[in-house]
Amino acid sequence: DQQVKQNSPSLSVQEGRISILNCDYTNSMFDYFLWYKKYPAEGPTFLISISSIKDKNEDGRFTVFLNKSAKHLSLHIVPSQPGDSAVYFCALVFGNEKLTFGTGTRLTIIP
Amino acid sequence: DVKVTQSSRYLVKRTGEKVFLECVQDMDHENMFWYRQDPGLGLRLIYFSYDVKMKEKGDIPEGYSVSREKKERFSLILESASTNQTSMYLCASSLAPDSYEQYFGPGTRLTVT
Repeated sequence: DQQVKQNSPSLSVQEGRISILNCDYTNSMFDYFLWYKKYPAEGPTFLISISSIKDKNEDGRFTVFLNKSAKHLSLHIVPSQPGDSAVYFCALVFGNEKLTFGTGTRLTIIP
Repeated sequence: DVKVTQSSRYLVKRTGEKVFLECVQDMDHENMFWYRQDPGLGLRLIYFSYDVKMKEKGDIPEGYSVSREKKERFSLILESASTNQTSMYLCASSLAPDSYEQYFGPGTRLTVT
């Protein structure tokens, strides 16, 4: 049973517009949340994170929002750039360092 | 800069062969992990290790084993490869105990025929 779901396998966004990637989870015990970005033929790289005591964390063009009551995590990228085209995974932590990854969303930025 | 390297980018093996996937990290990280990535399933944890000679099962350990004889090296072993183990295998490391950020290698695309 998938504890972490990214319901949109793919997303296309015009360059300069906002990209919103979503992640839903079932276990309310998760206490730390991360987003990773993966280019083809490369390993995932860490992008941004948020702890369960916050509801928003911002880093440049990237903002992560956490809605604990809805068990929902989202990543906003604004403005979107062609280099943002990649697969994005949310990853959740409970207790120890073991990450539980989502299924991934392929983001394509259209020039 | 953290570097995680994996011994092969592409590997083709036959059913029943014993397969070794090697991973080395150069940042003295305590923790190391093996994942497989499959379309529609994301990254799933196979095994991880918090210290030399220690190992813990992840979510899908069946058909795999691991070895960690040195801190910098973590090996994934497929004792008898099967076609359903065709996948992208990713190794990662992290600095314990407070860091959740994991650093990944480039991956090994394994095809079992």
